[in-house]
Amino acid sequence: EDQVTQSPEALRLQEGESSSLNCSYTVSGLRGLFWYRQDPGKGPEFLFTLYSAGEEKEKERLKATLTKKESFLHITAPKPEDSATYLCAVRGDYKLSFGAGTTVTVRA
Amino acid sequence: DSGVTQTPKHLITATGQRVTLRCSPRSGDLSVYWYQQSLDQGLQFLIQYYNGEERAKGNILERFSAQQFPDLHSELNLSSLELGDSALYFCASSLGTGTGELFFGEGSRLTVL
Repeated sequence: EDQVTQSPEALRLQEGESSSLNCSYTVSGLRGLFWYRQDPGKGPEFLFTLYSAGEEKEKERLKATLTKKESFLHITAPKPEDSATYLCAVRGDYKLSFGAGTTVTVRA
Repeated sequence: DSGVTQTPKHLITATGQRVTLRCSPRSGDLSVYWYQQSLDQGLQFLIQYYNGEERAKGNILERFSAQQFPDLHSELNLSSLELGDSALYFCASSLGTGTGELFFGEGSRLTVL
């Protein structure tokens, strides 16, 4: 059974205070690791795809990296609008499995 | 706006009842996925359809069923509802199958009283 574990569960940051979110996974036949952002009451919104160890993707203040067993989402100099729940997901043989998410709150 | 439309947005019903949730995928997308999200379980994969055919099945209860119609819209039927079925039900779509880049609708919030 594919497993995705995200930590921490919640993260409270001051505006401008950089931090990292962790996603560790076990999957048979990884066919991609994906990051999503979910705002309260909304559906998840796709952010990044990573396929192989060492790969990095960036978008504005977010950077995602991948190793053989985990992925990190780095938030650099966050702003209040970066407050959301960030979900990690892995694609195995037949389905996309999500972690429980990290809820990030950025205070001005 | 993801382009995925789900109806209804909110639904309140009683135990033992049956409801139908509807999803229209993004224009051009052939795959439709259904996920259940509850506070204690996170996003759980239920089922995927590709161009009208069932493609993959997750932890979908026997009381639940789904189908994808020729116009590619999909319906999720939930019957003999229990209190524990209260959750957000998301539909997502993608162009092909085997991808993790999904476009999610805004969800249907089901409350079973």
